[in-house]
This record gives sequence, structure tokens and C-alpha cells, in this order.
Amino acid sequence: GAGVSQSPSNKVTEKGKDVELRCDPISGHTALYWYRQSLGQGLEFLIYFQGNSAPDKSGLPSDRFSAERTGGSVSTLTIQRTQQEDSAVYLCASSTSGTGQETQYFGPGTRLLVL
Amino acid sequence: AQSVTQLDSHVSVSEGTPVLLRCNYSSSYSPSLFWYVQHPNKGLQLLLKYTSAATLVKGINGFEAEFKKSETSFHLTKPSAHMSDAAEYFCVVSDPGKLIFGQGTTLQVKP
Repeated sequence: GAGVSQSPSNKVTEKGKDVELRCDPISGHTALYWYRQSLGQGLEFLIYFQGNSAPDKSGLPSDRFSAERTGGSVSTLTIQRTQQEDSAVYLCASSTSGTGQETQYFGPGTRLLVL
Repeated sequence: AQSVTQLDSHVSVSEGTPVLLRCNYSSSYSPSLFWYVQHPNKGLQLLLKYTSAATLVKGINGFEAEFKKSETSFHLTKPSAHMSDAAEYFCVVSDPGKLIFGQGTTLQVKP
């Protein structure tokens, strides 16, 4: 079946602009996660959705970052007033339940470059 | 708090020789542990996972890992390296709602 998809695959933007990153999880997966992979910080957790609600937003680095999920499916990560330090690969994952024991399936990522 | 430490940032082996990638974990309860692999410009792929069943876990592509509670370790091994194994490997511990990644180990396989 189809895996997790993300769009765009690459995004180049200018400092100060807003960007939206999209994630389509595996059909039927109730849990959805966003992570960021950067050279200096490695792979870090950003936010977790269970259905449409986000019980854990603890990883969002600043109030410029926000995310939503609608219909228990697609999620959008929005970064406002982008900064150069936001340049990274943003990864989305989904899983069946969110308990922690199940496998998280990752998308290919969106590579963001802020000039 | 849960955490993992990958003891080597870079490992180099010759093709056909064994692979050992080391990982120690810290957890206040019985953890779920994973190894993921990331090939260049590719997504993260699950190699194997431990969730409190058998302590020796077999994964894809001939990899396996052993959970040792007394040593708080979850090292990844493979008897014979292939060129296609060259990639970044991540040891991961789970919290409900998130994965916590180690810093990664780059595996180089020399012909």
C-alpha cells in the first residue's frame, strides 16, 4: 500500500517568508508525528497528533512553528517568518496508535533551505 | 527521561567482515528500542525493534540486535557486511507519542 507522503520534496525560501509543509499519513493511522533533521541537532521530535488533537507539542522550537491536522488525516506544518536556522529536513511519520511500541513509518521528508 | 547514546559516530569495515554498532540506553521503565537506517537521500527505514519479547531481535537484511538489561545496551550486529549496508544508523528509544533518536553512526563499507 501507499506509504507516508510529503510535499514539497524541496523548498527554497527567503528569510522572513512563511512556508507550509504537508504530510499525508498511511491510511488508517491515527497517530502522526513531525520531526526535524539538521546537521547540528540530529533528529529531533517536534509534535505528535492523535487524531486531530496534539497532546504533545513540546518539541516545537518557537511560536513561529505551528501544525494542524484535519479529518484525522493530512497534516500541515507551518513555519512563519522563516530564519536561516530553520533550514533542515522535516520528516513526517505515522503509526497505528501512538502507544510507543508500534512502528513509526517515515515519509521521504521535505528539505527546507532558508536563504 | 529516556535517552540513547550511540558510542561511535563513524564505523568502517571491509566487505564481508562483521558489523558492530553500539548503543546504550537510559530508561526509567522497560523500554521499546528500535534501529532505523537511512541511506543517502532516502527516508528512514525500520531495521528491527525490541518490545519486551525475545531479547535477541532479528531484523531485515541480516541484521540483529540483543537487548541486555544488565548492561543497558542494544547493540546492532551483522555477520558479514555488504557494500549496500553503507548508510547512517540510528538507535532509538520510544516514549509514548515520540521517538528519541541517538546521534547516529555512519557505517562505511570498504571493498
